[in-house]
Amino acid sequence: QKEVEQNSGPLSVPEGAIASLNCTYSDRGSQSFFWYRQYSGKSPELIMSIYSNGDKEDGRFTAQLNKASQYVSLLIRDSQPSDSATYLCAVTRLLNQFYFGTGTSLTVIP
Amino acid sequence: ETGVTQTPRHLVMGMTNKKSLKCEQHLGHNAMYWYKQSAKKPLELMFVYSLEERVENNSVPSRFSPECPNSSHLFLHLHTLQPEDSALYLCASRPDSGANVLTFGAGSRLTVL
Repeated sequence: QKEVEQNSGPLSVPEGAIASLNCTYSDRGSQSFFWYRQYSGKSPELIMSIYSNGDKEDGRFTAQLNKASQYVSLLIRDSQPSDSATYLCAVTRLLNQFYFGTGTSLTVIP
Repeated sequence: ETGVTQTPRHLVMGMTNKKSLKCEQHLGHNAMYWYKQSAKKPLELMFVYSLEERVENNSVPSRFSPECPNSSHLFLHLHTLQPEDSALYLCASRPDSGANVLTFGAGSRLTVL
């Protein structure tokens, strides 16, 4: 069983729409959850972190965590072409053990 | 320089070569990581060096050898690699306290002929 699972996509949304990215994880002891964005040919960059159940909003981004369902999601409101990238979900339980999903490719169509 | 710097950015080597990848962080972090990124696969944790521990992924072949001389520098020594080792190798660092977040370097794109 994979530690972190994501739908690889590609996911296409029109400009201005809401993009919804989903992630499930297998370790119930996971404590920290992250979304990274990776543009083609670039390294991953952190866009959101979430540590407790519920929603966390930062600008156009909202992360949602449901530990009972072992589910993390990222919503991008008012999607822009510049949001087109691969989004990586990461979880960690132990201090140094970060596990990543394969990423979801998002394309925002102008 | 700031952030996490990796050199070289691109490397082409033959299977009999010996080369090294270098990573340097200027963030005052105390943990450094090597990840391998291959197409359609999750980032694979290879090695971690921190004040608390050194972690090695047992599935990483011995032809990859890490070295961490201090908390700011990390090397990945490469020896007799295989074509399937061609990938993007990412270095990351993490602060010892505060937010448990990784900061990545730009990566070293390795091609093994």
